[in-house]
Amino acid sequence: NAGVTQTPKFQVLKTGQSMTLQCAQDMNHEYMSWYRQDPGMGLRLIHYSVGAGITDQGEVPNGYNVSRSTTEDFPLRLLSAAPSQTSVYFCASREQGSRGAEAFFGQGTRLTVV
Amino acid sequence: SQQGEEDPQALSIQEGENATMNCSYKTSINNLQWYRQNSGRGLVHLILIRSNEREKHSGRLRVTLDTSKKSSSLLITASRAADTASYFCATAPEDSSYKLIFGSGTRLLVRP
Repeated sequence: NAGVTQTPKFQVLKTGQSMTLQCAQDMNHEYMSWYRQDPGMGLRLIHYSVGAGITDQGEVPNGYNVSRSTTEDFPLRLLSAAPSQTSVYFCASREQGSRGAEAFFGQGTRLTVV
Repeated sequence: SQQGEEDPQALSIQEGENATMNCSYKTSINNLQWYRQNSGRGLVHLILIRSNEREKHSGRLRVTLDTSKKSSSLLITASRAADTASYFCATAPEDSSYKLIFGSGTRLLVRP
């Protein structure tokens, strides 16, 4: 099992450029999320999805778009990159379940905006 | 704002000692989870405790949950150098348990 796969691992963008961070999971999980991790800030939720076709905003959604056309994929789009978006981005997936389920994380994408 | 806050922010102990990390949160929860992150890597799930549970064990890990105080603690017994990592608590809010909200983490250094 590959689990959660994120690409690319590293990316440098110029201010104003756009790009898409890819996330794919092969565990048939309903829930998927994007987080950003900044030094001393822990992980902050950007966007999440509870199933194909359903997405919603997290704590820090500005400057990012998501879509969920399939269960497996949950791409994160940066519309016009800004230096404040320099961060490490993590994608995670979880099973749906009222009693709770652990999240599986990708290895992260380290993004630098210059 | 973030749901969980960990205390201490950093902890340095000798191998063989116990490490205790605390997490406080703000709203009612469905469950609380602890994760570990090695430097530069993704997070790995350690243990989940549900809101109706008070204590849970897994190997050298012991987690407690006090919903009246909105707090949890993670105890790692007989620590090893390989336990050096950052540890995060994450809460699934009761009214939106499909979300996981993370705290800011505790950086643990275990000295050989």
